[in-house]
Amino acid sequence: GAGVSQSPRYKVAKRGQDVALRCDPISGHVSLFWYQQALGQGPEFLTYFQNEAQLDKSGLPSDRFFAERPEGSVSTLKIQRTQQEDSAVYLCASSLTGINYGYTFGSGTRLTVV
Amino acid sequence: RKEVEQDPGPFNVPEGATVAFNCTYSNSASQSFFWYRQDCRKEPKLLMSVYSSGNEDGRFTAQLNRASQYISLLIRDSKLSDSATYLCVVTLPYNTNAGKSTFGDGTTLTVKP
Repeated sequence: GAGVSQSPRYKVAKRGQDVALRCDPISGHVSLFWYQQALGQGPEFLTYFQNEAQLDKSGLPSDRFFAERPEGSVSTLKIQRTQQEDSAVYLCASSLTGINYGYTFGSGTRLTVV
Repeated sequence: RKEVEQDPGPFNVPEGATVAFNCTYSNSASQSFFWYRQDCRKEPKLLMSVYSSGNEDGRFTAQLNRASQYISLLIRDSKLSDSATYLCVVTLPYNTNAGKSTFGDGTTLTVKP
């Protein structure tokens, strides 16, 4: 596709519900990143994939968060037993090779946990 | 102390003004530097990379001072359309920690007629 596509655009979840957020990166992009952005703050790193390998998951806030990219293209971020503090915008970014040329972000998924 | 610190502003300037934003970072191993622009309720978009020699893109000039671990963005002849939040981004070398990027919390600019 022409850009990074994320779905859903908005998600309202009841506390305790599981959610799955999808990212479809730019075709051929090797690197894929997930970031979490709370209101009034900059994006915070969650995890990074190079093709299907998850090379860094140090930013995942708890074991309720899980990300995968099984075929090296589409990625899913799953949050189990959502809590109110999980409410944020989840941004996906991709990059053709490494990271030194800047990212292209998707429009994000705005998650609200009620 | 945050790894990347920016003055949150807001900066309110008239059209045509020159405005400068500053950013400091704490990790001296940082290798790549960027400025992103984020409009309200939109995703961040890459504005420009920042090089040690300084670089210019139209009305925008970015500077990097590695010794002081300091990055700046200068906007000349401000336009209404420049109103946005400007995010400073610092990236580790690719061979350490997979080149993770750290974002500042942003500086908000409002350009008024």
